[in-house]
Amino acid sequence: GESVGLHLPTLSVQEGDNSIINCAYSNSASDYFIWYKQESGKGPQFIIDIRSNMDKRQGQRVTVLLNKTVKHLSLQIAATQPGDSAVYFCAERPPAAGNKLTFGGGTRVLVKP
Amino acid sequence: NAGVTQTPKFQVLKTGQSMTLQCAQDMNHEYMSWYRQDPGMGLRLIHYSVGAGITDQGEVPNGYNVSRSTTEDFPLRLLSAAPSQTSVYFCASTTGRTSGELFFGEGSRLTVL
Repeated sequence: GESVGLHLPTLSVQEGDNSIINCAYSNSASDYFIWYKQESGKGPQFIIDIRSNMDKRQGQRVTVLLNKTVKHLSLQIAATQPGDSAVYFCAERPPAAGNKLTFGGGTRVLVKP
Repeated sequence: NAGVTQTPKFQVLKTGQSMTLQCAQDMNHEYMSWYRQDPGMGLRLIHYSVGAGITDQGEVPNGYNVSRSTTEDFPLRLLSAAPSQTSVYFCASTTGRTSGELFFGEGSRLTVL
């Protein structure tokens, strides 16, 4: 079946710099996208979501961008901090899928002091 | 507030043994689900439930059974464990039929020898 994928498995970023995590999705019918953060030894934690009728959504230090033309999703983290070190997953949901999400493989972000 | 609680956190089984992974949530969430997480493959949905007495299969249901007798509990049963079931298992819950904000437990690491 169709699945969500990521371009970069590992991203190293200097503390204080901005981070950009990319995700390519293949199901053009998906209408809802979510980013999760998973710290070592813990379960994933919701960060931010975006619906397909939007192309940008901002949260606290995070921004999600959606480009439906090229089926691309990105998560931008401003002023990256050591606590941002984690694995980040994007997830998609096709229409009528209810609460069922399809997750990508994850990108590890390492913040260098 | 405990959120989503999974037990045990670690388990080692021999091939052919059976066991149950427990999941309980105290948020009165209607939707509960089980995912498995394998290296490089993200999270894959095993089974899910939209309410007490209702369960359905996800992407990778073979070898697993579930039941939902109460709103709070959603156990995952392995009837005859196989090495291919070595993984980290996550239980997640949410409220509402279309929410993408899943609340995850801290995971159960299972090794099948």
